[in-house]
Amino acid sequence: GAVVSQHPSWVICKSGTSVKIECRSLDFQATTMFWYRQFPKQSLMLMATSNEGSKATYEQGVEKDKFLINHASLTLSTLTVTSAHPEDSSFYICSARELVIYNEQFFGPGTRLTVL
Amino acid sequence: GIQVEQSPPDLILQEGANSTLRCNFSDSVNNLQWFHQNPWGQLINLFYIPSGTKQNGRLSATTVATERYSLLYISSSQTTDSGVYFCAVGDNDMRFGAGTRLTVKP
Repeated sequence: GAVVSQHPSWVICKSGTSVKIECRSLDFQATTMFWYRQFPKQSLMLMATSNEGSKATYEQGVEKDKFLINHASLTLSTLTVTSAHPEDSSFYICSARELVIYNEQFFGPGTRLTVL
Repeated sequence: GIQVEQSPPDLILQEGANSTLRCNFSDSVNNLQWFHQNPWGQLINLFYIPSGTKQNGRLSATTVATERYSLLYISSSQTTDSGVYFCAVGDNDMRFGAGTRLTVKP
């Protein structure tokens, strides 16, 4: 299948700092990428849709000023958690849909964020 | 928005047993996928199946789009099948069900 990577795999930061997470589609181009958040023993919740060259679309209840999304190229989207607090600690997962061969969503390995 | 319900929420099997996982969804969609989330959190693509039936080894899936449900069959289960199975549906963005947590005991 197609490959989506994320960096870093895990990050620990102090409360009040900002953290950037990168999502890359390694072997295909993605005009749209998606960011999800998963709390322990829960399902994945869609946070936002990242659109290459334009503003992200956020789900209801997701603070756009706290979760900054930049989709700078057809293979890279970044999520920045600004002024992180302990309640932002979670597993963040990105995805992209490969349309040419598989026509299905592929997910990155996730980034585990812990805010102290 | 679209609602996705999975059942059962938990399933415990003895190795070698068969199982059926169900996914109901509230609206017609162009995309339905089944995933297995491994203990490290990685989502493994099992099936892209907006309609019809597919098989891959011991796993198979059937989606009846007109009745808005999909089934995932696991035959001759192994301990390595343990984990959480998610159904996700949507057109472009995907919405996930709550998952089925499968435990296969040796």
